[in-house]
Parts: sequence; C-alpha cells; structure tokens
Amino acid sequence: DTEVTQTPKHLVMGMTNKKSLKCEQHMGHRAMYWYKQKAKKPPELMFVYSYEKLSINESVPSRFSPECPNSSLLNLHLHALQPEDSALYLCASSQERDPTEAFFGQGTRLTVV
Amino acid sequence: DAKTTQPNSMESNEEEPVHLPCNHSTISGTDYIHWYRQLPSQGPEYVIHGLTSNVNNRMASLAIAEDRKSSTLILHRATLRDAAVYYCILRDVRAGGTSYGKLTFGQGTILTVHP
Repeated sequence: DTEVTQTPKHLVMGMTNKKSLKCEQHMGHRAMYWYKQKAKKPPELMFVYSYEKLSINESVPSRFSPECPNSSLLNLHLHALQPEDSALYLCASSQERDPTEAFFGQGTRLTVV
Repeated sequence: DAKTTQPNSMESNEEEPVHLPCNHSTISGTDYIHWYRQLPSQGPEYVIHGLTSNVNNRMASLAIAEDRKSSTLILHRATLRDAAVYYCILRDVRAGGTSYGKLTFGQGTILTVHP
C-alpha cells in the first residue's frame, strides 16, 4: 500500500468555524508533511513532522494547528481562517526525511467563505 | 536554500523524447536533485532523484552535469499522460542543516504533449 489518504476531499467553511483535515498513511513512514497550494502555483511547505514531533514550521499563522497523534496519522486543525486561506492542502509522507521519494495525497480542496 | 531555475513551459509531440532542463548553480555537496511531477487535479508524484551520477528508472532518466550545476530530466517517449507540471527540487540531506528534510518546490515547467 503506497497510498496517502486525505479526508475530506472538499471542505467549505465559514471564517468562524473550526474544522480539521486528516491525512493517513500505512507505509511505516516517520516523516509527514503539510503543503498549501494556490491555483497555478507550486506547493508551499507548511509543516514537517519527524517521528511524531514537529521539526519544521515555515512561519505558518497560528490559525493552522498541526497534530501528529501517531506515526500513521497527521491532522491539520483550522480555526478562524480567512478567504485567502482557500487552497488545496496536500499531505505527504516519506522515510524519515531521507532523500528517497515522498508520497503525496490527492489533497483537500478548502474554500473559506 | 539553493534554488532551481526551469523554463516556464515546453511542448512535445507524442512518442518523441523530451528533455526538461533545470539549472541549480548554487547547489551544495549535500543536495540531492529530485524531480516530481503534478498531473492535473492530483498531488505531486515522485519521478526520479540523483546525487552525482546519471540515473534511470522505469519513468525517466536523469542526466546530471559534471559540475552538478544543471540537470536534465529525459522522458524517452512522451505520451499524453505525461502532460503535467514538472518540478526540479534540491533536497538537503545534511543532518542538522537548516533546510534538512525540506522538499521545497520551485515554479516548475508545464509540459504540453501534442497527439
């Protein structure tokens, strides 16, 4: 199983809502990543987890809160988002940050209204 | 972080070879060269990676210049399914470095394949 599964596929939320994005992998990977991708732009790295600990935060606003409850699961908690946060949110995993391949999910298309 | 420069777009005909260039003149000795591609409405997909020597796999070949300041991704026979955005990425594997573990995407090259 070389799949990274993201749920939901689509999400519409109001600016006062709290929601969570979920990412799951069963490849035994110990590094997991969150990316944000705006239309016609490359993915931008947000967070990196290594062995369930946050190792990189690319100065992401606190309205985005990542969580890694176990080695297979990565969440992104969303609160008080702005319309400009609307984007495709991608999750990826790899063998503990080494140079081998990273596997990406299909993403969650988020719309903030 | 070391940066990469790629052409914005390239075109090819089906069943012809495609050479996608990437310049990375500030590459360091601990940077691996990775290529990913992103098909429409999908997440990025790993294509190939290398350090110094040329690499081949079932999807593509990677040719790395002797001074490592540039590389070329080679698709031997383009198909319509190869139409995608191709990203050339430098990945620092030096433990403890500030960019260790990052997979940072540049602008990429939009490849169009004509039937």
